[in-house]
Amino acid sequence: DQQVKQNSPSLSVQEGRISILNCDYTNSMFDYFLWYKKYPAEGPTFLISISSIKDKNEDGRFTVFLNKSAKHLSLHIVPSQPGDSAVYFCAASESGTYKYIFGTGTRLKVLA
Amino acid sequence: DAGITQSPRHKVTETGTPVTLRCHQTENHRYMYWYRQDPGHGLRLIHYSYGVKDTDKGEVSDGYSVSRSKTEDFLLTLESATSSQTSVYFCATGPQSSLGGYTFGSGTRLTVV
Repeated sequence: DQQVKQNSPSLSVQEGRISILNCDYTNSMFDYFLWYKKYPAEGPTFLISISSIKDKNEDGRFTVFLNKSAKHLSLHIVPSQPGDSAVYFCAASESGTYKYIFGTGTRLKVLA
Repeated sequence: DAGITQSPRHKVTETGTPVTLRCHQTENHRYMYWYRQDPGHGLRLIHYSYGVKDTDKGEVSDGYSVSRSKTEDFLLTLESATSSQTSVYFCATGPQSSLGGYTFGSGTRLTVV
């Protein structure tokens, strides 16, 4: 039973345009949500997070939006750059568990 | 990340043999985790530890055991390796806060033949 789902395995975007990566979850007890970026042959690196008390968090070119009623979050990258080409994972956890459940990942390709 | 070292980086082993993967951290983080990454499955939690000698099972713990005798070391053992355990294994530490996220190691690519 996949509690965190990323339904788009891949996404291609032109350089300079917006990239939107989506994530859905089923567990209403999830309170914290993270996005990670992963390059080939490297470990995932933390990108941005959001708690359930907020609906938006912004860090430079990266913005995460949370819609709790829809159990949906998204990551916006504006403007997209070729160096953003990577696999992006969303992850979710319940408060106090310090244990994150990850989605299956979306491979983003930014075309120059 | 220089604070987390996984060893070995690559290993090929035969079906039925025991295998131990090591994760060493210099961050003094309380929490440590083992994940495996497989195509179509993303990252799945195998086992985690919330302190020395305190461990618990994750989503896919069957066939794996762990030990943590020191804060800095977290060992993952495949008691009798099977081909279905061919994967990339990642160790992670943290988080310092629920919104801080983990720090991941560079991974161990394990092939069971």
